[in-house]
Amino acid sequence: DAGVTQSPTHLIKTRGQQVTLRCSPKSGHDTVSWYQQALGQGPQFIFQYYEEEERQRGNFPDRFSGHQFPNYSSELNVNALLLGDSALYLCASSSVSDRRRDTQYFGPGTRLTVL
Amino acid sequence: DAKTTQPPSMDCAEGRAANLPCNHSTISGNEYVYWYRQIHSQGPQYIIHGLKNNETNEMASLIITEDRKSSTLILPHATLRDTAVYYCIVRVEYGNQFYFGTGTSLTVIP
Repeated sequence: DAGVTQSPTHLIKTRGQQVTLRCSPKSGHDTVSWYQQALGQGPQFIFQYYEEEERQRGNFPDRFSGHQFPNYSSELNVNALLLGDSALYLCASSSVSDRRRDTQYFGPGTRLTVL
Repeated sequence: DAKTTQPPSMDCAEGRAANLPCNHSTISGNEYVYWYRQIHSQGPQYIIHGLKNNETNEMASLIITEDRKSSTLILPHATLRDTAVYYCIVRVEYGNQFYFGTGTSLTVIP
């Protein structure tokens, strides 16, 4: 049983560019959450997707957007990259529809560096 | 915002029990206590969670005080691989996001 997978592992972009990160949830999970983790900090919640819609959103600007596909996989898009967007981006999956599987399981993350 | 307070760092001798405290004095009746850990630059790993009763699994034990204002994560026989940042989080179980603080950096010493 594959866990949560994310791609790419590492990414280098320049300021002003756009980036797309991808996440495949754990088998049996239908909900995907995205987090940003700056160096030395705990992960910060960006948003959560369920049934292909954004259910909840943290305190992040509209430059951060997402999408969930019918197979439950998800993308995180960041436009007009800033140096401060450099971070580890984490995807977590869970099952909102099954309360026994509501615990979030995290992927290995994508390390984004903005130059 | 994180609703928990943890010591920034702790040391533990290899083979001994590691006891990691967490204060959550404003916890609500329907909020659970979750513990995750994060080994350097990897994704957080789920350890255990509970509401009010003590919980145990293959990784750890969770002791929650009767008033639920604090808890302790116990790693019964710490190994070098347990060196990580440990996060204590409280949240309503169903569907809400996790608010991470800065956690406790546990170093297991040989």
